[in-house]
Amino acid sequence: DAGVTQSPTHLIKTRGQQVTLRCSPKSGHDTVSWYQQALGQGPQFIFQYYEEEERQRGNFPDRFSGHQFPNYSSELNVNALLLGDSALYLCASSLRTGGNTDTQYFGPGTRLTVL
Amino acid sequence: GDSVTQMEGPVTLSEEAFLTINCTYTATGYPSLFWYVQYPGEGLQLLLKATKADDKGSNKGFEATYRKETTSFHLEKGSVQVSDSAVYFCALNKHTGKLIFGQGTTLQVKP
Repeated sequence: DAGVTQSPTHLIKTRGQQVTLRCSPKSGHDTVSWYQQALGQGPQFIFQYYEEEERQRGNFPDRFSGHQFPNYSSELNVNALLLGDSALYLCASSLRTGGNTDTQYFGPGTRLTVL
Repeated sequence: GDSVTQMEGPVTLSEEAFLTINCTYTATGYPSLFWYVQYPGEGLQLLLKATKADDKGSNKGFEATYRKETTSFHLEKGSVQVSDSAVYFCALNKHTGKLIFGQGTTLQVKP
């Protein structure tokens, strides 16, 4: 049973560029959440997707956008990259049972470096 | 707003020592509580969870009890190993899908 997978593992971009990160949820899960983890900090919630719609959003600017596909996989897009966007981006999947998505399982993350 | 506070690290212990990592939370209602562990260069692994007051979560020798009266969820292990060296995160979820994390506590176990 495959867990949560993310690609790519590492990515280097320059300021102003755009980036797309990808995530495949754990088998049987239908909900994907994205988090940003700066060095030495706890993860911060970006947004969550369910039924191909953004259901909840954290305190991140519109430069951060996402998408969920019919097979439940998801993409995170970041436009106009800033140096401060350098971080580990984590995808987590869960099963929306009765509206409850409490237990989330994380992928290995994508390390984004913005130069 | 809702938040999680963990004891500052690093916590340095000798192998077979007793471990406690303190975690307290601020939240209305009855959140679910979690401990995640992050090994160097990796993502987060779910260690244990508790969904209601007085529940005890346990896994791999680690335990934590959901204390509503003290708004705490302290992580304990009776005998740590070198392989337990990692960063530990306490988190809450108010059934909205959004996990709120503490800042993490680094544990270093020396042989």
